[in-house]
Amino acid sequence: GNSVTQMEGPVTLSEEAFLTINCTYTATGYPSLFWYVQYPGEGLQLLLKATKADDKGSNKGFEATYRKETTSFHLEKGSVQVSDSAVYFCALRAKAAGNKLTFGGGTRVLVKP
Amino acid sequence: KAGVTQTPRYLIKTRGQQVTLSCSPISGHRSVSWYQQTPGQGLQFLFEYFSETQRNKGNFPGRFSGRQFSNSRSEMNVSTLELGDSALYLCASSPLRDLETDTQYFGPGTRLTVL
Repeated sequence: GNSVTQMEGPVTLSEEAFLTINCTYTATGYPSLFWYVQYPGEGLQLLLKATKADDKGSNKGFEATYRKETTSFHLEKGSVQVSDSAVYFCALRAKAAGNKLTFGGGTRVLVKP
Repeated sequence: KAGVTQTPRYLIKTRGQQVTLSCSPISGHRSVSWYQQTPGQGLQFLFEYFSETQRNKGNFPGRFSGRQFSNSRSEMNVSTLELGDSALYLCASSPLRDLETDTQYFGPGTRLTVL
């Protein structure tokens, strides 16, 4: 079946540090890939997405590239801020599964001033 | 454009009771999906509705059910509540015009606590 694996947290960083969160997936065909972010007490917000191989999604300084050869979609940000403290979820949508999203376990990120 | 709204935001019930949660999608969105979020199991897909029809269903017992109305608003119902049903229930809507590029937008969730 389809699955998403992402690095366990928490990840603790200092402000202005470089952030990487690893995400790998297993799916039939060519899924669409997403990163969502969840702030405390809130729902999920779409951060970025990529729908085909070699696509790069980007938003608010975050980037992720759809790598078919390594079945990965790692999230990166060059200089984090305290406001980036949140839980980040990698997700995929496989065409055969319709509109259903399959999520990774989430990675908590804590940025200290 | 208003986002996805969910009511109520918080709910406390006791074992054996039933509960109904409501979701209003973004205007123009016809697909509504429901997810359960727990610390142990993470985010799990419950079901998806489109044009008042259930299109997809996750691996949950029959106690979990839902429906969608002609205005795309959706409700989910959990009967005979168990302690393990305590979770954040998230609703997501999407226009579903193109499955390849479609995006789901999430509401703030309903926090259900079963005592």
